[in-house]
Amino acid sequence: AQTVTQSQPEMSVQEAETVTLSCTYDTSESDYYLFWYKQPPSRQMILVIRQEAYKQQNATENRFSVNFQKAAKSFSLKISDSQLGDAAMYFCAYRSGGGSQGNLIFGKGTKLSVKP
Amino acid sequence: NAGVTQTPKFRILKIGQSMTLQCTQDMNHNYMYWYRQDPGMGLKLIYYSVGAGITDKGEVPNGYNVSRSTTEDFPLRLELAAPSQTSVYFCASRLIRGYTFGSGTRLTVV
Repeated sequence: AQTVTQSQPEMSVQEAETVTLSCTYDTSESDYYLFWYKQPPSRQMILVIRQEAYKQQNATENRFSVNFQKAAKSFSLKISDSQLGDAAMYFCAYRSGGGSQGNLIFGKGTKLSVKP
Repeated sequence: NAGVTQTPKFRILKIGQSMTLQCTQDMNHNYMYWYRQDPGMGLKLIYYSVGAGITDKGEVPNGYNVSRSTTEDFPLRLELAAPSQTSVYFCASRLIRGYTFGSGTRLTVV
């Protein structure tokens, strides 16, 4: 079975600085997808970024980028120029590719605080 | 386009009571999922459906039941509520690539 591990329960960053959230996963599959979701206090699950395992290029979305190391099974999220609105829980998630039912497997999350 | 709508947003149940959490999507997505999120934890899959009339168990199905009579609706039934079912429940749907989550239902069993 696949597992997702987020080893940092809490992180803190100064406004305008850069922070990296860690995620490792365990799988024997070669076809899969990885995601970072943001959950603010409103509880809404917001997709931050998505990475296909077959793509070597790291995904980027504005201030958010990932460092995808397939051999090491590592998928870290870098937030540049941190803003107060980035404060939230961040979840790393895995989804099998191919003909799977497509459910997401989540890590336990990292709570990010942004200091003004 | 409302996306995924969950009702109610909050509910307090007494031990042994039953209730149904409603989930409706208007995007014609085939795949739908129910997750629960316990404090300090990520989301865990309760049940999922790949289309109308087809459902299957996820990681934590005990104490729950689902049905999928239409593409739009995927209700989650709690029978004989227990304190261990106190959680936040999320419904989600998926077409091909992207997931859409509802805003969640906070359920407390006392």
